[in-house]
Amino acid sequence: DAMVIQNPRYQVTQFGKPVTLSCSQTLNHNVMYWYQQKSSQAPKLLFHYYDKDFNNEADTPDNFQSRRPNTSFCFLDIRSPGLGDAAMYLCATSDGFLAEQYFGPGTRLTVT
Amino acid sequence: AQSVAQPEDQVNVAEGNPLTVKCTYSVSGNPYLFWYVQYPNRGLQFLLKYITGDNLVKGSYGFEAEFNKSQTSFHLKKPSALVSDSALYFCAVRDKASYDKVIFGPGTSLSVIP
Repeated sequence: DAMVIQNPRYQVTQFGKPVTLSCSQTLNHNVMYWYQQKSSQAPKLLFHYYDKDFNNEADTPDNFQSRRPNTSFCFLDIRSPGLGDAAMYLCATSDGFLAEQYFGPGTRLTVT
Repeated sequence: AQSVAQPEDQVNVAEGNPLTVKCTYSVSGNPYLFWYVQYPNRGLQFLLKYITGDNLVKGSYGFEAEFNKSQTSFHLKKPSALVSDSALYFCAVRDKASYDKVIFGPGTSLSVIP
């Protein structure tokens, strides 16, 4: 089945230790998104790619970076995680901007 | 500015009764509206969308939503609730004025009581 896969599902990192979350898709969608979600709140968009065109939200901290080496894969790098970065991180894809988004299961990040 | 409101944090309904989860929006142009559902520790799942056409939109799992332009609303409905419908529901609108990003409402927690 075509899907959005996120690895790992659970990630524990230490304060200040860089961490990378990964997302892959078999849908061949041109748009990929990274969201941060805390405590059943609305997902907060961090950035998105339209093909290789990267768009960073104005309020996304510099601590968060992203890479999309090809259509299928997208990575979220947190350079120096703080306690406030503990959250669920959701990857999503869509076939253009008017289409619905397909979400992965999320990676729950814990910072100790 | 574009925005989405879900006026109820929590909705409780008895199993078998009809359910409604409310959503109102504010956009400068034509709205593109979506409903998503999220089960615990899972990603969001798409339920339905309104782009254009009929005001009544049918979606997954027996859900439907009615677009009302004059009231700027897009309420989610289901004729007969199931316990398995208990989840977090998000209304969303595409903001064409802001590189088409999606703006999510704050979410409504639905509890269906057996």
